Amino acid sequence: GQQLNQSPQSMFIQEGEDVSMNCTSSSIFNTWLWYKQDPGEGPVLLIALYKAGELTSNGRLTAQFGITRKDSFLNISASIPSDVGIYFCGTSGTYKYIFGTGTRLKVLA
Amino acid sequence: ETGVTQTPRHLVMGMTNKKSLKCEQHLGHNAMYWYKQSAKKPLELMFVYSLEERVENNSVPSRFSPECPNSSHLFLHLHTLQPEDSALYLCASSQETGLYEQYFGPGTRLTVT
Repeated sequence: GQQLNQSPQSMFIQEGEDVSMNCTSSSIFNTWLWYKQDPGEGPVLLIALYKAGELTSNGRLTAQFGITRKDSFLNISASIPSDVGIYFCGTSGTYKYIFGTGTRLKVLA
Repeated sequence: ETGVTQTPRHLVMGMTNKKSLKCEQHLGHNAMYWYKQSAKKPLELMFVYSLEERVENNSVPSRFSPECPNSSHLFLHLHTLQPEDSALYLCASSQETGLYEQYFGPGTRLTVT
């Protein structure tokens, strides 16, 4: 079935560093969604992308919808300790909602 | 309250118990969802409701029974669960089904003993 491959699975970075993670699929999608999940909480929507090539920012976060419509990346600039958590990519279609396995981010102060 | 709320936040139940999870959304959305989140696995979509009508059931065992009395409330009734059903159960809502971003509740951490 369809699945989203996220990489890296986990990463440790120093505070202040930039972070990059991506999500790929063998299928074409019309949306890409990026969420962050803190321990014991539900995922929180960070950025939604609806158009191939679209580049969208939300504060220190920037995400892009790949031209091929099969991938997306999320960048975090100047990371801070509260960026720690699990970042999920997801996509949606009619009654189809698929999520990646997540990238676990740990920020070292 | 705002957003999507879920109760209880934590639940421990035996395999012979019957319990219910509740979800309420205050966003005026027409679609609601139940997901199961297990460790190191992608979110698994269980049920989709659009305007109180179930539109998707992803081969979920009958021991999970959803109920959507109106577009703001969603329940998941649980009975005779198995230990492997222990997981975080997340409720979400969106404006409509399809190409719309979903907003999640905080989840119910379920442990089946």
